[in-house]
Amino acid sequence: DTGVSQDPRHKITKRGQNVTFRCDPISEHNRLYWYRQTLGQGPEFLTYFQNEAQLEKSRLLSDRFSAERPKGSFSTLEIQRTEQGDSAMYLCASSPHRGPMNTEAFFGQGTRLTVV
Amino acid sequence: EDKVVQSPLSLVVHEGDTVTLNCSYEVTNFRSLLWYKQEKKAPTFLFMLTSSGIEKKSGRLSSILDKKELFSILNITATQTGDSAVYLCAVPHNAGGTSYGKLTFGQGTILTVHP
Repeated sequence: DTGVSQDPRHKITKRGQNVTFRCDPISEHNRLYWYRQTLGQGPEFLTYFQNEAQLEKSRLLSDRFSAERPKGSFSTLEIQRTEQGDSAMYLCASSPHRGPMNTEAFFGQGTRLTVV
Repeated sequence: EDKVVQSPLSLVVHEGDTVTLNCSYEVTNFRSLLWYKQEKKAPTFLFMLTSSGIEKKSGRLSSILDKKELFSILNITATQTGDSAVYLCAVPHNAGGTSYGKLTFGQGTILTVHP
């Protein structure tokens, strides 16, 4: 499978616990994005990497959230001290760099987080 | 801040019907508009529209963009139960003349096709 891969697919955790999700983008895609999607809403942008550099973070990304892409390949998203409001689908997407031209982002299957 | 509004929010039809989904947008330095289909998992790409008035077509699906009126429509003809999904419209952020793919999505239209 050469698409965007996310792990785990589902995560149930108790409030207050830390969780970490992993995303493996399509090979050679140097742009990687994290989105969050709650029921009945479209995905909301969280953060963006170009190679290993985190170039933008949404104000939705509180201090409890941190994302890394240490070698410019896979990325991790960590949520510390989870709250029930963090329950959502976390989607990762990647796209190639093509200069000023737009290109579609390719999404992974998502990690569904449930905080109980 | 970029804004995307889709309508209707949900739609229930029978197989064979034709549906039209709407997407209006407000975006700084518009470059393109994208349509995705989401079936309980990853959004999958359908169309990218950049030029006004030029229809993109793929099988029973087609889409067109009106840059003057700032909207796009997605048409599905002869609907099938497999078309049941959430259809998302999105616009990429465009900063300083380049667009790096950060997408602003609409709420989506939930399409249900009954046999």
